Amino acid sequence: AQSVTQLGSHVSVSEGALVLLRCNYSSSVPPYLFWYVQYPNQGLQLLLKYTSAATLVKGINGFEAEFKKSETSFHLTKPSAHMSDAAEYFCAVSDAGSSNTGKLIFGQGTTLQVKP
Amino acid sequence: NAGVTQTPKFQVLKTGQSMTLQCAQDMNHNSMYWYRQDPGMGLRLIYYSASEGTTDKGEVPNGYNVSRLNKREFSLRLESAAPSQTSVYFCASSGTGGAVETQYFGPGTRLLVL
Repeated sequence: AQSVTQLGSHVSVSEGALVLLRCNYSSSVPPYLFWYVQYPNQGLQLLLKYTSAATLVKGINGFEAEFKKSETSFHLTKPSAHMSDAAEYFCAVSDAGSSNTGKLIFGQGTTLQVKP
Repeated sequence: NAGVTQTPKFQVLKTGQSMTLQCAQDMNHNSMYWYRQDPGMGLRLIYYSASEGTTDKGEVPNGYNVSRLNKREFSLRLESAAPSQTSVYFCASSGTGGAVETQYFGPGTRLLVL
């Protein structure tokens, strides 16, 4: 069975500092991995996704993530945090088995706080 | 192009009452999904519909039913609401429902069951 673990339910950084949100996955087949962001009182929107084309994936708003098979990780980074990055971030793995239904399995979420 | 819309935005129910959450998408997507979001648990799949006329259970289907009314609409029904169903409910859709497809989410319905 596939699963996702996000390390740290709450991360706080200063404006301008590096953002690092951690995600580890478990999958018996090559995974497809996603990062979604949820701003307060809104739905989720896609930041970026890994579909095996390239291990370093660039997304919107300056975020990127690197797929590391040896570490079963897909950590999200941004070099310099902005106040507008304050949100909840979800890592997810997609059902990539024979059923190929696109069902997503989400991590617990990480709330990013950005301090002025 | 409204994307994925959900109604209502907020609802309060008493234990045992029933209600239907509505979801519609205008992107001509084949696949639609219902998730619930609870603090510290991320989002969990309740039901999904790979195409018009088909539905299947997700991770937490108990206490819920769904109807894929047509290609645009996918409703979620609580027949007899329980306090454990207090949650935020999100509907999502994707084009073909494949594993690499992006899912597009609605704004959510906040449900409180007393």
